[in-house]
Amino acid sequence: NAGVTQTPKFRILKIGQSMTLQCAQDMNHNYMYWYRQDPGMGLKLIYYSVGAGITDKGEVPNGYNVSRSTTEDFPLRLELAAPSQTSVYFCASRPPFGRHYEQYFGPGTRLTVT
Amino acid sequence: GDSVTQMEGPVTLSEEAFLTINCTYTATGYPSLFWYVQYPGEGLQLLLKATKADDKGSNKGFEATYRKETTSFHLEKGSVQVSDSAVYFCALSVDQGAQKLVFGQGTRLTINP
Repeated sequence: NAGVTQTPKFRILKIGQSMTLQCAQDMNHNYMYWYRQDPGMGLKLIYYSVGAGITDKGEVPNGYNVSRSTTEDFPLRLELAAPSQTSVYFCASRPPFGRHYEQYFGPGTRLTVT
Repeated sequence: GDSVTQMEGPVTLSEEAFLTINCTYTATGYPSLFWYVQYPGEGLQLLLKATKADDKGSNKGFEATYRKETTSFHLEKGSVQVSDSAVYFCALSVDQGAQKLVFGQGTRLTINP
């Protein structure tokens, strides 16, 4: 199993540009999550999904969109990039074995908006 | 709202020293508590967890006890190694289904040989 994979690893965007951060998992997990990690801060939840076709907002959803058309993929879309979206983005997934089960994280995408 | 507060870092110790990283929380419900670790250049990994009061989570020599009376979940290790150098995150979850984690700000730990 590759686990949770994210592409790209690094990206520099200009203000106003758009991009999609890709996330895929091959563990057949129902739950998937997007977090952002700002310097010196903990992770904050952007969006999450409990299964294909079902998504919901987390703590900091403004400026982002998601979709979940398959169990494996959970892309995060930035429509009009702003400097405040400079961050490291982590995708995670979890099986539906109970609310205490661990989340598995990808290696992250470092995004800079200038 | 729910929140997690960790001790300020960075923390620098010598090999074989005793480690404590403090974590306290505020929660509207009855949370599950987690410690995640992030090694350089990698994503987060679950280190240990506790799901009810007085539970002790343990893994790789690390321990943490869920203290409801003091709303704390401090991470300890008796003898640290250079390979323990990483960023450690305390987190909680109160929801029954989706497990929306709330993280502390992280504590960077460096162990010198």
